[in-house]
Amino acid sequence: SQQGEEDPQALSIQEGENATMNCSYKTSINNLQWYRQNSGRGLVHLILIRSNEREKHSGRLRVTLDTSKKSSSLLITASRAADTASYFCATDWGSARQLTFGSGTQLTVLP
Amino acid sequence: GAGVSQSPRYKVAKRGQDVALRCDPISGHVSLFWYQQALGQGPEFLTYFQNEAQLDKSGLPSDRFFAERPEGSVSTLKIQRTQQEDSAVYLCASREGTANTGELFFGEGSRLTVL
Repeated sequence: SQQGEEDPQALSIQEGENATMNCSYKTSINNLQWYRQNSGRGLVHLILIRSNEREKHSGRLRVTLDTSKKSSSLLITASRAADTASYFCATDWGSARQLTFGSGTQLTVLP
Repeated sequence: GAGVSQSPRYKVAKRGQDVALRCDPISGHVSLFWYQQALGQGPEFLTYFQNEAQLDKSGLPSDRFFAERPEGSVSTLKIQRTQQEDSAVYLCASREGTANTGELFFGEGSRLTVL
């Protein structure tokens, strides 16, 4: 079973708009990471936020973490058609070495 | 190599056949993971290696699944007597160290279709 649930499952926006994706998880975490996956390809790491951090930025990406609500959000500003992909949150928790992935948000950016 | 390499990219097997999927991680990466990804879902953890030691195989769905990394570099995931429910993309990922803060580098996956 998967630790995280992304919301929405699918999102379609126009180029230039902002895209916000949410992730909720079940257990206390050490860190949370966001990954992107283009159709038919492997996943690519975007950003990591530690459990003691509340917000982090990287380029057009902004990630927030609310450990009291067990949730995170990924904001992509000024979206481009090339941002079209699936986005997954992934958590590590306890002593486990592996990341546990959510179910993903399919983002479509229309030109 | 420059990235994680997986082969074959596509594999079609008849039910009951054995398959072997290969992963060549980034050179020097200590940690290696196998994940299974069903269509439209996120990756599900299968197993974890630290060098040649298989430290966690809790995600392997049955005893038909077997993984090895004998020399701490290349890894093979073997599925015996394949079933239709084994159809999925099998992703390999490596990480430079053992710390959970390190990012995972993924291969492009091996898509297995069992007929």
